[in-house]
Amino acid sequence: ETGVTQTPRHLVMGMTNKKSLKCEQHLGHNAMYWYKQSAKKPLELMFVYSLEERVENNSVPSRFSPECPNSSHLFLHLHTLQPEDSALYLCASSQDRGAEAFFGQGTRLTVV
Amino acid sequence: GESVGLHLPTLSVQEGDNSIINCAYSNSASDYFIWYKQESGKGPQFIIDIRSNMDKRQGQRVTVLLNKTVKHLSLQIAATQPGDSAVYFCAENLVGGSARQLTFGSGTQLTVLP
Repeated sequence: ETGVTQTPRHLVMGMTNKKSLKCEQHLGHNAMYWYKQSAKKPLELMFVYSLEERVENNSVPSRFSPECPNSSHLFLHLHTLQPEDSALYLCASSQDRGAEAFFGQGTRLTVV
Repeated sequence: GESVGLHLPTLSVQEGDNSIINCAYSNSASDYFIWYKQESGKGPQFIIDIRSNMDKRQGQRVTVLLNKTVKHLSLQIAATQPGDSAVYFCAENLVGGSARQLTFGSGTQLTVLP
């Protein structure tokens, strides 16, 4: 256990569905991240939150919408996804931006 | 642009042998590097880190070497065990303004043979 918990672990959704991924950390970290991990590709940074403020949005399509209601929780709202969005979505947190990141177990998302 | 990459996508070693996983980085301004291990079905897990003011750091059965001259990073695992089978990523801290973040390589799959 790294102290970062993601739910659900697996999610299958249709292209017209709306779903949300949840991430929770109680490590007292100030920064939280969403990463996308596709087969045979490097981890792709999607969003960065620092002190609950979004500081990075790496050209992610608007069908992905992050939310950080407080320093311990991070959500990724999904709507009208495409099959190519199927991947492992990883949440991470760190004490400060750029410091050692602690990852959750990820949500395996399949879009059908 | 900046990139972090690995020389070999797969590596197979005999149990008990030493493993060496390599990583190249392109940004000479990077000052912090981390190795992560990712087992199947799990998120990446921190193994060891090193700052650019060091060239070697040792942990339990693992050693990270940093060669800033050629911008090369390596992870050495001593007496490799079956539980070491996983994908190993290096990550680079890109320094610059507000974009201070970790950038990851594509990973090396380590397989430990019995």
